[in-house]
Amino acid sequence: GNSVTQMEGPVTLSEEAFLTINCTYTATGYPSLFWYVQYPGEGLQLLLKATKADDKGSNKGFEATYRKETTSFHLEKGSVQVSDSAVYFCALSDHYKLSFGAGTTVTVRA
Amino acid sequence: SAVISQKPSRDICQRGTSLTIQCQVDSQVTMMFWYRQQPGQSLTLIATANQGSEATYESGFVIDKFPISRPNLTFSTLTVSNMSPEDSSIYLCSVETGQAMRYEQYFGPGTRLTVT
Repeated sequence: GNSVTQMEGPVTLSEEAFLTINCTYTATGYPSLFWYVQYPGEGLQLLLKATKADDKGSNKGFEATYRKETTSFHLEKGSVQVSDSAVYFCALSDHYKLSFGAGTTVTVRA
Repeated sequence: SAVISQKPSRDICQRGTSLTIQCQVDSQVTMMFWYRQQPGQSLTLIATANQGSEATYESGFVIDKFPISRPNLTFSTLTVSNMSPEDSSIYLCSVETGQAMRYEQYFGPGTRLTVT
């Protein structure tokens, strides 16, 4: 079956630091890959996505590249801000079913 | 994207009772889903709400415990029946919109349920 494994947290960073959250997946087909973000007290928001191999999703300074050869979709941001403090979920969609990773809590200190 | 609302936003219920959660979308969508997010955990798909037919449940979830209605393309309800403290979770509905093959899902704000 499909599954997503992401880096365990929590992750604590200083402002302007580089952020990487690792995500690998197992899928039988050719899934679409997503990163969702949950800010404190808010609902789940789609951050970025990639639908095929070598696609790069990007939004709000975050990027992730769909790597079929390593079955990975790592999230990166070059310079984080305090407002990036949130829980980040990697997910895959095989047809319409979403499978989520465990989530990584990121805290950015001023 | 779609604008999704849920009612109630939160509730505290006694064990043995039932709660019905409503999900309303501002546009017609084909696919609607219900998820559970237990405290400190990730999201788990409960079921797919099918318009005009019975919901499709994931392994570990049954209709008697989580009956779902989907009377039209903009509305769905999830009932959590005969609640126990283990049902304390955030329940989220989501919809799939956009172009074919993109499989983007957008989530409602969630219903935070506490069972005492």
